[in-house]
Amino acid sequence: DSGVTQTPKHLITATGQRVTLRCSPRSGDLSVYWYQQSLDQGLQFLIQYYNGEERAKGNILERFSAQQFPDLHSELNLSSLELGDSALYFCASSPDGQRMTDTQYFGPGTRLTVL
Amino acid sequence: DAKTTQPNSMESNEEEPVHLPCNHSTISGTDYIHWYRQLPSQGPEYVIHGLTSNVNNRMASLAIAEDRKSSTLILHRATLRDAAVYYCILRHHSGGGADGLTFGKGTHLIIQP
Repeated sequence: DSGVTQTPKHLITATGQRVTLRCSPRSGDLSVYWYQQSLDQGLQFLIQYYNGEERAKGNILERFSAQQFPDLHSELNLSSLELGDSALYFCASSPDGQRMTDTQYFGPGTRLTVL
Repeated sequence: DAKTTQPNSMESNEEEPVHLPCNHSTISGTDYIHWYRQLPSQGPEYVIHGLTSNVNNRMASLAIAEDRKSSTLILHRATLRDAAVYYCILRHHSGGGADGLTFGKGTHLIIQP
């Protein structure tokens, strides 16, 4: 158990809809990362937050957005969903996200299925 | 960005050592070498990292070539639980700090009983 929790475990929705994925980082970790894992693209970094502020952006679509709240939990919002958005979404946390030696701890993931 | 090259898959027997290679010929002097693994139906988990010297921890050892253009993750005594996809990742410092991890395809390690 990494200490990172994600809800829900599974989500099934229809094209065009909007969903919110939630992540609670390990106690004390200030940085949260979101990743998408699909069969064709593999594991891709989407976005990072550090202590409530956006720190780095990866391959995140404009239809996707995220935020980190004062209690450090984070939400990933996916809107205007398409079939291709079906994937596993992982959240990870790390103590500060600054150092090259920082370890990321991954949650169990949310499996999103868009029908 | 510096890239890594790993074999698609490797097979080993239970209770034998496993050497997982990674080539990173364009590594820069400040890049750290990290290894993560992903067990079936789980999120990735950290294994080990290093810069120049060989490193050991309770999970594995990391041997880094003198020119740093390659590294080898060593599992000293593989168990069935070590069957996973192993990712070799270079971490470099961007303007804002340590960015997200860039995962390649990794090596699918199969352990035979």
